[in-house]
Amino acid sequence: AQRVTQPEKLLSVFKGAPVELKCNYSYSGSPELFWYVQYSRQRLQLLLRHISRESIKGFTADLNKGETSFHLKKPFAQEEDSAMYYCARSTGGGNKLTFGTGTQLKVEL
Amino acid sequence: KAGVTQTPRYLIKTRGQQVTLSCSPISGHRSVSWYQQTPGQGLQFLFEYFSETQRNKGNFPGRFSGRQFSNSRSEMNVSTLELGDSALYLCASSPGGQGAYEQYFGPGTRLTVT
Repeated sequence: AQRVTQPEKLLSVFKGAPVELKCNYSYSGSPELFWYVQYSRQRLQLLLRHISRESIKGFTADLNKGETSFHLKKPFAQEEDSAMYYCARSTGGGNKLTFGTGTQLKVEL
Repeated sequence: KAGVTQTPRYLIKTRGQQVTLSCSPISGHRSVSWYQQTPGQGLQFLFEYFSETQRNKGNFPGRFSGRQFSNSRSEMNVSTLELGDSALYLCASSPGGQGAYEQYFGPGTRLTVT
């Protein structure tokens, strides 16, 4: 079965500190990986996807096939980054997403 | 463009009853996926419909079913409700086609089974 693992339920950092949200996936073929974010009282929305290789809101994520990881990073955390972050992979073609359990990021002043 | 809409937003049902939830995708989107979100199991994929056909299916019992209409609107039905079906049900739409597209999520329907 396809698995996505986010080992941290909660990650608390100070404003201005670097952030790394971990994500590991079970290996199978060529994965398509995503990070989705849910801000308080807002809908789940796409943050970034690995094939676009872009930086969104200062966040980047690199696919490491050797380590089967897709960690989300930001050099300097901002208060507005506080949210729930989900790593997900597309499986079986189409739009079937397998989500990790999510990491709650809390940025403290 | 208007976002994904889901109706109703909240629902309370009794064990054994059935329920139908509705999802209207973003205009032009042909794929609609459904997810169940619970504190214990997180976000779990139910099924995806594309051009009125079920394209992907998750590991849920047959009590969970869905359909898609010619205008891409989708409904999901849960029959013989159980307490464990209490959850937030999310619908997501995307343009469709092959490959994985960005999915746009609705606000969800909060179902409580008593």
